[in-house]
Amino acid sequence: AQSVTQLGSHVSVSEGALVLLRCNYSSSVPPYLFWYVQYPNQGLQLLLKYTSAATLVKGINGFEAEFKKSETSFHLTKPSAHMSDAAEYFCAVSESRGYSTLTFGKGTMLLVSP
Amino acid sequence: DTGVSQDPRHKITKRGQNVTFRCDPISEHNRLYWYRQTLGQGPEFLTYFQNEAQLEKSRLLSDRFSAERPKGSFSTLEIQRTEQGDSAMYLCASSSGTSGNTIYFGEGSWLTVV
Repeated sequence: AQSVTQLGSHVSVSEGALVLLRCNYSSSVPPYLFWYVQYPNQGLQLLLKYTSAATLVKGINGFEAEFKKSETSFHLTKPSAHMSDAAEYFCAVSESRGYSTLTFGKGTMLLVSP
Repeated sequence: DTGVSQDPRHKITKRGQNVTFRCDPISEHNRLYWYRQTLGQGPEFLTYFQNEAQLEKSRLLSDRFSAERPKGSFSTLEIQRTEQGDSAMYLCASSSGTSGNTIYFGEGSWLTVV
């Protein structure tokens, strides 16, 4: 069985500060890992994904994440927060087989202050 | 290229009524998923189709829920005899099954049962 833990339901940063959103996963097989962003009253937009190629993955809007197998982590970072980054972020895992459904964490709300 | 389309975006219904949601996936995607998201939680998997075949159903999908995908194109999710606990956002997603199984989500259909 696979699972995702996102540490911190809310993270507050100042505009221009480093963003770090934490994600740890559990999977019995090599995982695919994803970060999605959700703006209020909208669906989920894919930020980036890890699919067993490079361990450092770059996504849209300046976000990146690093896959660390030894730590079972896939933390999301952005060097400098922008007001428009305020949203809810979800980490998700799927198994790298023919098809697989996504298992999501509970999400982290990113708050950005001026 | 249009994304995943869902209709209606919002539905308010009285307890005990039936509701139906429609999802149009990305045109070349043969895989279609339904998820449910309640306030403060990450999306939870409900069911999965490959073409017209429903291959997996979560235990969350009670007997009052039924999903179809006739002809392997659009899909419908029907909830019969709605209960207040059914109030949630119902997300549809699709994928092509290649390239790391990236799943693309629609904007969601909000259901409020009063």
